[in-house]
Formats: sequence, C-alpha cells, structure tokens
Amino acid sequence: GQQLNQSPQSMFIQEGEDVSMNCTSSSIFNTWLWYKQDPGEGPVLLIALYKAGELTSNGRLTAQFGITRKDSFLNISASIPSDVGIYFCAGLTDMDSNYQLIWGAGTKLIIKP
Amino acid sequence: GAGVSQSPRYKVAKRGQDVALRCDPISGHVSLFWYQQALGQGPEFLTYFQNEAQLDKSGLPSDRFFAERPEGSVSTLKIQRTQQEDSAVYLCASTAAGLGYTFGSGTRLTVV
Repeated sequence: GQQLNQSPQSMFIQEGEDVSMNCTSSSIFNTWLWYKQDPGEGPVLLIALYKAGELTSNGRLTAQFGITRKDSFLNISASIPSDVGIYFCAGLTDMDSNYQLIWGAGTKLIIKP
Repeated sequence: GAGVSQSPRYKVAKRGQDVALRCDPISGHVSLFWYQQALGQGPEFLTYFQNEAQLDKSGLPSDRFFAERPEGSVSTLKIQRTQQEDSAVYLCASTAAGLGYTFGSGTRLTVV
C-alpha cells in the first residue's frame, strides 16, 4: 500500500533550538496535514496544506507543501518544553477517497534537560 | 459535548473475550471515524460513518471487528474473540466537514 516516510524517527534537542522534520512519498499528495500527539491523547491538528508550494505558519510552527507534491516539512522555531510529543504527517493522494488519510510513523521530539 | 469522548480509557481483555468501545462525537458532527494505532505507529483507518450510514469499512482487519452508529451520534466498535494482535489504542475522530478531525483520547486495549 501507499506509505509515508517520516524522518527523523526521534530527535533530542536543547530548549531554544529549531527543529525540522519531513515526510516523503513516492505518491503524489493533494493534501498534507501535520498533527501533534501527547502521551495518552489523540492527535491534534497543527497545520493543513492544500496546494503545492504552500507555506503556512501557526505561531512558531511552519509547514510547507513540497513543489513535487511528494513531500512536506514541518519546522518548529525556538523549541520550548511543551513542544515535546510525537509529530505525525498525514495526507491524501489523488488515488484515495477524500477522507482516508495516510499517516507517517511519527517523529518523537524530546527536549534534553 | 465540547470534545470527542471515548470510553473506557483502558481495557484489559482476556484472549477470546468480546469487547465494546464507545465513542461520543462532538454534537452535530456528521462524520465519524475509527482508527487503530499500534505502539510507535501512526493511526490506521478502520471505518467511516456519515450519520448512521457506514460508508467505508475497508480498514477493519477481520470479521471479528464490527462498528455501528445506529442513531448517527454515539458509535460503538466491537471486537469479538479478541486476539493479542488486537492490542492497540483505538481512536475515534469526528468532523462536521472537511479534514478538521477532532480526535478523542482513545481506548488502550490490552489483550492478555
């Protein structure tokens, strides 16, 4: 089946550092979504992208829909302790229904004390 | 309600036991989804309801899995004769429209 390759799998960073993670696929996507999941909770939508090349910010978060439509990245600037969690990319391809999201395996963000 | 509510939060079942997981979506949300999330993985689609109609059940892993939403609001995911491989977090999400899903906190099922 279709897959999203999300990297890195985990990140250990210092508070205040910038963070970058990405998702790639061999398939063409028409929607990219970035979610954050805290322990014991469901995913929460951070940013939604609908057009190739689109760059969208939500506070310290910035995400881009790749020009090739096969990738997306999420940047977090000046990380703070509450940024800890697991970040997932998810998307829809032209081949899918308009609701059945394909998910990456997540990037676990850990802030070094 | 203010959010999507799932119960129970945790369930331990003996292998072979039947379980029922409940989801209370946000009031008025037409679409409801069930996802299965294995440890260290992203959620995987199980099934989709629009009101009371189950429009897609292609993600249900076997015929031991059954979902219903008889009145177009509360939904129940039932797993019969549970197996160890069914151990996972089961997430419910609802939306009024579009991809702005609101997820519940999930039910963590452990089959022993």
